[in-house]
Amino acid sequence: GAVVSQHPSRVICKSGTSVKIECRSLDFQATTMFWYRQFPKQSLMLMATSNEGSKATYEQGVEKDKFLINHASLTLSTLTVTSAHPEDSSFYICSARDRLGGMNTEAFFGQGTRLTVV
Amino acid sequence: RKEVEQDPGPFNVPEGATVAFNCTYSNSASQSFFWYRQDCRKEPKLLMSVYSSGNEDGRFTAQLNRASQYISLLIRDSKLSDSATYLCVVNGDYGQNFVFGPGTRLSVLP
Repeated sequence: GAVVSQHPSRVICKSGTSVKIECRSLDFQATTMFWYRQFPKQSLMLMATSNEGSKATYEQGVEKDKFLINHASLTLSTLTVTSAHPEDSSFYICSARDRLGGMNTEAFFGQGTRLTVV
Repeated sequence: RKEVEQDPGPFNVPEGATVAFNCTYSNSASQSFFWYRQDCRKEPKLLMSVYSSGNEDGRFTAQLNRASQYISLLIRDSKLSDSATYLCVVNGDYGQNFVFGPGTRLSVLP
């Protein structure tokens, strides 16, 4: 079945550094990928929609200069958390749907990245 | 009002029990609906899609009421392995974005 691979699964970084998270669709193409953030005991919150070949669309309250998104191909989107701070510590998950799928096509999720900023 | 709302939970039920989860959505233009399951510290995984006529998959039954903008999930003969958070997910329009409900936590007890 369709697979979305997300890397790294876990990262610990120092405050002020940047962290890049990759999201790849392995056996399908995705014009659009989605980045979510999940804090403990809370649901997934959409951060931004990543569009292949164009700028990402950010949700209200998400700083585009802090969370840089690049969607350079139909199978790869990256999220870079710049100048990370402890409050950025969270579980980041990407998802994608097959661009050739219909309306009822499910979304596949990456394994998630647990970011801890110390 | 949140776009997708679910029973607050948690639900603690004994093995073998039947449990039902409810979900409501605010966007009447929503076109597709799903139930996802999320285990602790893992990514969500599709449990089942929800079709207008209702659908069943083994012990799981999903129903949709478009007029009331309401979705339900029924789990029969609960197993310990059913313990997880159940997420109601709605695709709001012809785009591809999914909107997640807050989730309902289920614990099946021996």
